[in-house]
Amino acid sequence: AQTVTQSQPEMSVQEAETVTLSCTYDTSESDYYLFWYKQPPSRQMILVIRQEAYKQQNATENRFSVNFQKAAKSFSLKISDSQLGDAAMYFCAYRSPTSGTYKYIFGTGTRLKVLA
Amino acid sequence: AAGVIQSPRHLIKEKRETATLKCYPIPRHDTVYWYQQGPGQDPQFLISFYEKMQSDKGSIPDRFSAQQFSDYHSELNMSSLELGDSALYFCASSSSRGSGRARYEQYFGPGTRLTVT
Repeated sequence: AQTVTQSQPEMSVQEAETVTLSCTYDTSESDYYLFWYKQPPSRQMILVIRQEAYKQQNATENRFSVNFQKAAKSFSLKISDSQLGDAAMYFCAYRSPTSGTYKYIFGTGTRLKVLA
Repeated sequence: AAGVIQSPRHLIKEKRETATLKCYPIPRHDTVYWYQQGPGQDPQFLISFYEKMQSDKGSIPDRFSAQQFSDYHSELNMSSLELGDSALYFCASSSSRGSGRARYEQYFGPGTRLTVT
């Protein structure tokens, strides 16, 4: 069974600085999808960025980018120029490509604090 | 753009009561997923439906049941509620059509916060 691990329960970053959130996963599949979700105090799940495993190029969305290391099964999120609005829980998620099992498996989350 | 709609947004029940949560997927989405997020925890997959048939099952208690109707909306029925059922319940929807990353990508609703007292 697939597992997702986020080893940093909490991280802090100074406003305008850069922070990296870590995520590792375990799977025997070769093709899958990885996601980072942001959950602010409203608790809405907001998609930050996605990565298809078959793509070698790291995904980028404005200030958010990932470092995808398939062999190491690592999927870290880098937030550049951190803003106060980035403060939230961040969940890493895995989705299998296997037909009928498209559920997301989430890590335990990392709480990001942004210091003014 | 239309999003996933969940109702009610907040629900307070007493122990041993029954609760029904509703989910209205994005138009033309054919798959619905239910997740439970306890306090301070990550979302846990409960169950999913594709074209009104159960497609996958996670750690859903036997006291819970769910179904997807002909208009693709879904309902999660929870009976004999326990204090431990207090959580945020997310519904997500996806489409099996199309190609690439749009296919099967899940869109989350705002959640229903259930409090059992």
